[in-house]
Amino acid sequence: QMTQSGGGLVPPGGSLRLSCVGSGFTFGRYWMTWVRQAPGKGLEWVANIKEDATDKFYLDSVKGRFTISRDNAEKTVFLQMNSLRVEDTAMYYCVSGSSVWGQGTLVTVSS
Amino acid sequence: DIVMTQTPLSLSVTPGQPASISCKSSQSLLYSDGKTYLYWYLQKPGQSPQLLIYEVSNRFSGVPDRFSGSGSGTDFTLNISRVEAEDFGVYYCMQTIYMWTFGQGTRVEIK
Repeated sequence: QMTQSGGGLVPPGGSLRLSCVGSGFTFGRYWMTWVRQAPGKGLEWVANIKEDATDKFYLDSVKGRFTISRDNAEKTVFLQMNSLRVEDTAMYYCVSGSSVWGQGTLVTVSS
Repeated sequence: DIVMTQTPLSLSVTPGQPASISCKSSQSLLYSDGKTYLYWYLQKPGQSPQLLIYEVSNRFSGVPDRFSGSGSGTDFTLNISRVEAEDFGVYYCMQTIYMWTFGQGTRVEIK
């Protein structure tokens, strides 16, 4: 399973760091991904990171603002979110491979 | 970017009846390794998405055999042979051949 933490209410321009800890599987063998879902909307891929962190990819609208990273020894994937915008408001999910999803954490960007 | 288009966007089904959802991609999802990276998820209200089908037609662990996936290239279908009460929610197709993109979602409701 994937257990998420972080999130909350932040003003526009603020920062947040999301974390997600994996358990019950070999964490270092899988790509890790962050997906978000704005209120009442569909799913949107945000970023992903290769098993050994040598490759990282980002949604165009978050490039330069969000950073994905991982610590395989701690079985944790992170999403550092800077310069947050109102349109970043969403439930954020971490995903291991394509099958194991975290429970989601709500990020609200509002003044 | 690869665009995923689902039809219909909503479906009203009587329990016990079949249901079918179509997903079309703007580019072929066949990768050079011979695999086709098309997935199907179900998201129930208030829950994280759950994987149903991976690589077009493979049922994920624990998924009932009333769910089946088919297709190739750019055209794919999810079939439910007899819809049960637990199957209602929003279904998404997803591709991972180039980043990740999701279809808009198909809401399956009780008739």
